[in-house]
Amino acid sequence: LAKTTQPISMDSYEGQEVNITCSHNNIATNDYITWYQQFPSQGPRFIIQGYKTKVTNEVASLFIPADRKSSTLSLPRVSLSDTAVYYCLVGDGSTGGFKTIFGAGTRLFVKA
Amino acid sequence: GAGVSQSPSNKVTEKGKDVELRCDPISGHTALYWYRQSLGQGLEFLIYFQGNSAPDKSGLPSDRFSAERTGGSVSTLTIQRTQQEDSAVYLCASSFVLSGTGGLTEAFFGQGTRLTVV
Repeated sequence: LAKTTQPISMDSYEGQEVNITCSHNNIATNDYITWYQQFPSQGPRFIIQGYKTKVTNEVASLFIPADRKSSTLSLPRVSLSDTAVYYCLVGDGSTGGFKTIFGAGTRLFVKA
Repeated sequence: GAGVSQSPSNKVTEKGKDVELRCDPISGHTALYWYRQSLGQGLEFLIYFQGNSAPDKSGLPSDRFSAERTGGSVSTLTIQRTQQEDSAVYLCASSFVLSGTGGLTEAFFGQGTRLTVV
C-alpha cells in the first residue's frame, strides 16, 4: 500500500483558499487518491477522490499532476467550520484500500 | 438506519474486564472495517471483513482483540482483559467494494465508541 506524507498542521484565516499537499511517491497504477475530513468527536467523512488531473465537487478540488506522485486538496474560501483533520489515502478497491493506515493527517486551523 | 451505528457511544471499564463494542453497518455494504484512534492520533487499522471471505486480522494489536461479523451485517469487536493502553476511540466503517480496479468506494464511518479503561 502506498505510503503518504502530509504536513502535520496548517493555519489559515476565514475566506482564504487552503491547499494541502500529499506526497505518495510509490503510488501504484491502479491506486486512486482519496481525501477524508474528520471533525472532533466524529468519524472521518469522504471529501473527494480522483485518479488524475483535476476533480472538483461542491466542497473541494483535487489536483493531481501527470506523474501522480503527489496531490493537492484545495478548499476555497474556508470558514471556521472547516477546522478539522484532513487525511490523504491512496489505494484501490480490489486490495481493500481502506486498510491503509490513515496516518496523523493534516490539522487545519481556521482563524477568524 | 441511514448511517453506520455504533454502540455504546461511551464505555468506562475497569482494567482486566472484557468489553464488547457493536457496529451496525449500512445495509448492503459488504465491507466493514474497525479502526482505533488514540487522542490526537490518526486511525489505526484493526480488522477488515469483506463478504464471506476470511477477515483480514493483520491490524489486531494482540490476541486479546477479536472481532466477528454475523450474517454479513452486524459486527462485534471484543477486547478481553482490558488494559489502560486500550483506551481510545474505536471507529467502525462500512462500504461497498467495487470489483476490479474501480477505485476506492466511499467509506461511511460511525461516531465511534470512546473506551476508557480505569
